[in-house]
Amino acid sequence: AQSVTQLDSQVPVFEEAPVELRCNYSSSVSVYLFWYVQYPNQGLQLLLKYLSGSTLVESINGFEAEFNKSQTSFHLRKPSVHISDTAEYFCAALRAGRRALTFGSGTRLQVQP
Amino acid sequence: EPEVTQTPSHQVTQMGQEVILRCVPISNHLYFYWYRQILGQKVEFLVSFYNNEISEKSEIFDDQFSVERPDGSNFTLKIRSTKLEDSAMYFCASSAPVDRGNYGYTFGSGTRLTVV
Repeated sequence: AQSVTQLDSQVPVFEEAPVELRCNYSSSVSVYLFWYVQYPNQGLQLLLKYLSGSTLVESINGFEAEFNKSQTSFHLRKPSVHISDTAEYFCAALRAGRRALTFGSGTRLQVQP
Repeated sequence: EPEVTQTPSHQVTQMGQEVILRCVPISNHLYFYWYRQILGQKVEFLVSFYNNEISEKSEIFDDQFSVERPDGSNFTLKIRSTKLEDSAMYFCASSAPVDRGNYGYTFGSGTRLTVV
């Protein structure tokens, strides 16, 4: 069985500060990893994904995540956040050969002016 | 950009009633999914659907749940006899044909089901 753990339920941060949202996974087989973002009253939007290749993946709005197999982590980072980044962020894993995503419990990023 | 559309956005129903949640996936996608999120809890996988049949389902997806693709565009989730614990946000999703490395799920905005 696989599981995804997001240890931080809420992360308050000031605008223009760096942020890291932590995600750890456990799986006995190969997994693909994803970060989704949910803005208020909206659906889940794919932020970035790791399937294979380079362990550092980036999104178009400045977020990046690094796949670390030895630490079974896929932490999400941004060097300078904006007010508009305030949202709920979900880490998710997909076992190779399967179609069902396993989600973490989510981290609410609150960017303050 | 193509979207997954879900209707209604909010539905209130009485315990024991049947509800149908509707979704219009992206037109060229072939895999369809339902997930749910009980308030304050994780997003949980319910079922995946491919080639007009269920390809995978979770333990949550018991006999009171069913899915259907009644025509070429809609994908529905039916809950036969709703219980209070079915109150949740239900997300529909779809994904493209399985190309190598393509796991681009697109989620809808969700239907908030409240069972009273």
